[in-house]
Amino acid sequence: IAGITQAPTSQILAAGRRMTLRCTQDMRHNAMYWYRQDLGLGLRLIHYSNTAGTTGKGEVPDGYSVSRANTDDFPLTLASAVPSQTSVYFCASSSTSGGYNEQFFGPGTRLTVL
Amino acid sequence: GQSLEQPSEVTAVEGAIVQINCTYQTSGFYGLSWYQQHDGGAPTFLSYNGLDGLEETGRFSSFLSRSDSYGYLLLQELQMKDSASYFCAVRDRRGGSYIPTFGRGTSLIVHP
Repeated sequence: IAGITQAPTSQILAAGRRMTLRCTQDMRHNAMYWYRQDLGLGLRLIHYSNTAGTTGKGEVPDGYSVSRANTDDFPLTLASAVPSQTSVYFCASSSTSGGYNEQFFGPGTRLTVL
Repeated sequence: GQSLEQPSEVTAVEGAIVQINCTYQTSGFYGLSWYQQHDGGAPTFLSYNGLDGLEETGRFSSFLSRSDSYGYLLLQELQMKDSASYFCAVRDRRGGSYIPTFGRGTSLIVHP
């Protein structure tokens, strides 16, 4: 693995189903983030984690949950998917959560909820 | 709360210079960053300004004025490959954590 990976690349999901988007980084970064990107709305933060074992809510957390059991992995779970969760999801990581904070993004997961 | 404003679209011709502005409102301020995103791709980091002034990286420069809550990204000698979306981003301190916030993005279209 080089950098940050996400799986699956794309997914079509029936409404009401549970879905986990996976994110793994091999840079030993402390901070990780989940964003959703919708046309015209830019990147909106869903949840974040400043270090393993801690998580926090971002701008649009409702309907999503995360866990950070270790440094490398930061899965995002949709407990019961709804059509409004159709979006492109990006995972990102950074070495620190402080001021200077270059974020490295994964390739994204395109999710369609029908 | 916090918000960032940037133009939705900018067009320019190859070889020209273009400036993409970003104004922000935050309860705290911990630097302004810029990211580039090509269609279908992931955002990639371009620059960071923590202090006032100009930061130059090759054809790209970024400027910050904290007193005006304003920054811009300057792209010189435009190339077709510069056609992409550009996002400004700030970090706000909330509840003891640094929360990143992105603007809605500026679509740059470079014409031959």
